[in-house]
Amino acid sequence: EDQVTQSPEALRLQEGESSSLNCSYTVSGLRGLFWYRQDPGKGPEFLFTLYSAGEEKEKERLKATLTKKESFLHITAPKPEDSATYLCAVLLSGGYQKVTFGTGTKLQVIP
Amino acid sequence: GAVVSQHPSRVICKSGTSVKIECRSLDFQATTMFWYRQFPKQSLMLMATSNEGSKATYEQGVEKDKFLINHASLTLSTLTVTSAHPEDSSFYICSARVEQTDTQYFGPGTRLTVL
Repeated sequence: EDQVTQSPEALRLQEGESSSLNCSYTVSGLRGLFWYRQDPGKGPEFLFTLYSAGEEKEKERLKATLTKKESFLHITAPKPEDSATYLCAVLLSGGYQKVTFGTGTKLQVIP
Repeated sequence: GAVVSQHPSRVICKSGTSVKIECRSLDFQATTMFWYRQFPKQSLMLMATSNEGSKATYEQGVEKDKFLINHASLTLSTLTVTSAHPEDSSFYICSARVEQTDTQYFGPGTRLTVL
């Protein structure tokens, strides 16, 4: 069965304390992996799309990496405004259109 | 680029009435749009996949007669909650897919409260 698991469920960091969020997946075939950020009461905001193992993408303090089994979202020197829930989602190969979401990691960055 | 809007952002209605939510892709055309429902502190639950010009594909357990989806153009999909009841109160979010990248871009969501 296809599964997407995110860890930790919640993470509390001091401002400036770098860390990583994990998204592990067990799927029959991966066509793409997506990272989103969601603030309370809002729709998810797109961050990154990764397509193949070894791929990396960066945006400001965020860097996403992908292996054959998992993806990491590295947050360098986070600021309070990085506080949000981070969601990953996988798109299976084979003509599928819908994605499977993980349950998310709620990040809190304390000043 | 890749901006998706939703209207209304909030709606309060009486039990038994119908509510229509619009989802628009503002700067791109989307053959495929999706409708999600999100309960507090939970992840997104896919309700249906909407393809322009054809019938929507509903997920198991989602009543197609209750949640009517129309995708009449490449920039607009609508979700109508018919005969709404308090248990339909939720946060509804749409997304539109950019074909070239397979990436979904989400709208800001609609908070529905049924009294």
